[in-house]
Amino acid sequence: GAGVSQSPSNKVTEKGKDVELRCDPISGHTALYWYRQSLGQGLEFLIYFQGNSAPDKSGLPSDRFSAERTGGSVSTLTIQRTQQEDSAVYLCASSLAPPGTASNQPQHFGDGTRLSIL
Amino acid sequence: QKEVEQNSGPLSVPEGAIASLNCTYSDRGSQSFFWYRQYSGKSPELIMSIYSNGDKEDGRFTAQLNKASQYVSLLIRDSQPSDSATYLCAVKDNYGQNFVFGPGTRLSVLP
Repeated sequence: GAGVSQSPSNKVTEKGKDVELRCDPISGHTALYWYRQSLGQGLEFLIYFQGNSAPDKSGLPSDRFSAERTGGSVSTLTIQRTQQEDSAVYLCASSLAPPGTASNQPQHFGDGTRLSIL
Repeated sequence: QKEVEQNSGPLSVPEGAIASLNCTYSDRGSQSFFWYRQYSGKSPELIMSIYSNGDKEDGRFTAQLNKASQYVSLLIRDSQPSDSATYLCAVKDNYGQNFVFGPGTRLSVLP
């Protein structure tokens, strides 16, 4: 079946521009996660959506970062006024985690968007 | 603050040997434990999950969990050069729904 789909796979933009990154989770997965990974570094948690609950935004590094999840499915991560330090791979993952229930389901990752800020 | 710790490595083992990767976690409420493999330039892929104390085997991989010691490990038997990658440990409590990842251990299997 279809996995987590992210687009674009690569994005090059100039400093100061806004960018939008898209994530299509696995069908039926209620939990969706965004991470950032700089070269040679670990995963940096950004934001987490679960069903219709308020998202956990505790990992967003600044107010230039925001994310939405429309209709409980597709998510968009927006970075405004990009800076060179925003250059990284942005990974999206989804998980089958029914709201309000205990769940031991793993995450499944997309291939990521490689963002380069010139 | 929930933390997951791993040795960053690199851990080098000769081909055919057993590679042992370790992970400790701080939250005693953690219930689910996952090992992901990440090749350079690729996204993480799930290789093992474990929820109960003891060992869980899947092919050449064995995950070991000791909740009392807050310790989870991954053994790779008959290591192959294709096993060379970064291995990420992830921990989750069933109700928080969020995952905490360790920094990863880089494994190098030498032919």
